[in-house]
Amino acid sequence: AQSVTQPDIHITVSEGASLELRCNYSYGATPYLFWYVQSPGQGLQLLLKYFSGDTLVQGIKGFEAEFKRSQSSFNLRKPSVHWSDAAEYFCALNAGGTSYGKLTFGQGTILTVHP
Amino acid sequence: GAVVSQHPSRVICKSGTSVKIECRSLDFQATTMFWYRQFPKQSLMLMATSNEGSKATYEQGVEKDKFLINHASLTLSTLTVTSAHPEDSSFYICSAPGNRANGQPQHFGDGTRLSIL
Repeated sequence: AQSVTQPDIHITVSEGASLELRCNYSYGATPYLFWYVQSPGQGLQLLLKYFSGDTLVQGIKGFEAEFKRSQSSFNLRKPSVHWSDAAEYFCALNAGGTSYGKLTFGQGTILTVHP
Repeated sequence: GAVVSQHPSRVICKSGTSVKIECRSLDFQATTMFWYRQFPKQSLMLMATSNEGSKATYEQGVEKDKFLINHASLTLSTLTVTSAHPEDSSFYICSAPGNRANGQPQHFGDGTRLSIL
């Protein structure tokens, strides 16, 4: 069975500072990986995805993530955080194959941005 | 682009009421849809996989008699929470797989916030 771990429950950064949110996964092959953002009381917005190919993935809102197979990680980064980035972030995994579309989510990381 | 529409967005009702949530794929067909549940301050957990024309597949610990899923057409899946109680209060969200050949990820509905009084 697959699993996703986000080690940091809550991260606080100052506006303009850089950001890295950690995501580790457990799966026997290379999975499809995703980062989603959720504002309070809202649904999910896809930030970026990794299917194959270039391990550095660019997403929306200035986010990027790097797939590192050796570390089973898919960390999300942003060079300069804006106050509007405050939200909860979820890393998710899909095993592909007949399970395409079925996601296993990490526990989520709440991002607080100080002015 | 492909869109999944989920209704209603919010439901508040009394304990014992049954509540139906609809998930529609608006411009594509979805033989499979997924239903997730998110309790307050928690992550999203898969409840079940909805299969068009056949029975849904439920995850371990999810009561199939409590959460009835019907996928009668290629564009509509429904989740009915039967005899809902306060502990069923949660955020329910559906999704449908995108076109894998085109690298499309899953498409999520906007979710339904269910509050049982």
